Amino acid sequence: EAGVTQSPTHLIKTRGQQATLRCSPISGHTSVYWYQQALGLGLQFLLWYDEGEERNRGNFPPRFSGRQFPNYSSELNVNALELEDSALYLCASRIGLGHYEQYFGPGTRLTVT
Amino acid sequence: GENVEQHPSTLSVQEGDSAVIKCTYSDSASNYFPWYKQELGKRPQLIIDIRSNVGEKKDQRIAVTLNKTAKHFSLHITETQPEDSAVYFCAASGSNYQLIWGAGTKLIIKP
Repeated sequence: EAGVTQSPTHLIKTRGQQATLRCSPISGHTSVYWYQQALGLGLQFLLWYDEGEERNRGNFPPRFSGRQFPNYSSELNVNALELEDSALYLCASRIGLGHYEQYFGPGTRLTVT
Repeated sequence: GENVEQHPSTLSVQEGDSAVIKCTYSDSASNYFPWYKQELGKRPQLIIDIRSNVGEKKDQRIAVTLNKTAKHFSLHITETQPEDSAVYFCAASGSNYQLIWGAGTKLIIKP
């Protein structure tokens, strides 16, 4: 069974630009979570999508947004990039109702210069 | 609000010794408690979990204990090995199947 995949592996952007990150969940999983992990720090919850809808968002500004597609893949968009947006962005998927376990992708390393 | 506190932030132990990481949660409705291991440059991976109807669970050298009354749970690693060096995250289930994460513990195994 293929795991969660993310693309690209690395992304370098300039301050003020936009970044788009992509995530494909494990086959059969309907929920996707996005996390930001700054260097050496913890997992900060960004967004949760389930069945195509945004279910919850963390304490991040509106320039962080995303969507979930009918095939349950997801994309995270970050507008007006700031230097402090440099981090590892992790996607995790969950199978759905009745299950809590989240399975992580390898992450996208975003560097803003 | 929902909160999980994790201690210590850094733990250094001699190879072969035991390591214990502790977490405290605030939501008495939490009923699922996973532990994730994140090696340097890699993704967090689920290593063990426990549900509220169980007090202890073991898997080879790792074990998790849960005290629902005190609202805390712990990860125990025995006979530590160099490959145990990593950051460990605890979490507790929140509303709507979300996980509330601890801040992480960096475990260093000294040779």
